[in-house]
Amino acid sequence: GIQVEQSPPDLILQEGANSTLRCNFSDSVNNLQWFHQNPWGQLINLFYIPSGTKQNGRLSATTVATERYSLLYISSSQTTDSGVYFCAVGSTDKLIFGTGTRLQVFP
Amino acid sequence: AAGVIQSPRHLIKEKRETATLKCYPIPRHDTVYWYQQGPGQDPQFLISFYEKMQSDKGSIPDRFSAQQFSDYHSELNMSSLELGDSALYFCASSSKSGTSGETQYFGPGTRLLVL
Repeated sequence: GIQVEQSPPDLILQEGANSTLRCNFSDSVNNLQWFHQNPWGQLINLFYIPSGTKQNGRLSATTVATERYSLLYISSSQTTDSGVYFCAVGSTDKLIFGTGTRLQVFP
Repeated sequence: AAGVIQSPRHLIKEKRETATLKCYPIPRHDTVYWYQQGPGQDPQFLISFYEKMQSDKGSIPDRFSAQQFSDYHSELNMSSLELGDSALYFCASSSKSGTSGETQYFGPGTRLLVL
């Protein structure tokens, strides 16, 4: 099956800093989503981005499908950005999740 | 905008009991997915339904069964519960004919604790 690797596993930032999270996957996919899981466990959909670049406020994402990786950029981080960021990919119905990047933003 | 609804939000059961989790997808979404997230782990796909037919199956135990009803809501039935079934169970929905690709939208989850 498809393997999904995320890096770094942990990230500690001070408020206002920028960061880049990476997701590598092992095979062609037709679905790639980025999620933020907040401390209450909710999975919040950030981007549906099987290819190309998208931006939403302080967040942006880029997927280079031919090279099998995706990047999530967080600019001017805030304490509310804390949580786990998951990349999930799919070639059929199901999504296969990476192990996530745990982000902690301190004031 | 309407989101995926799951009930109950929290559930406590004893070993060997049964549990039923319910999921109400976003209106006009035709596909429902179930995922299980153990403590400190990433979500794992269990099963999916498209237009009330099972469309894909993951590592779902034989003790679990699921179905999608005519109104598109889905239920996950879990029998002979084990301690290891304690997890966060997510339902997600998508539309294969929508304009947002096949984005899966996740519900808030049901937190199951087996004692």
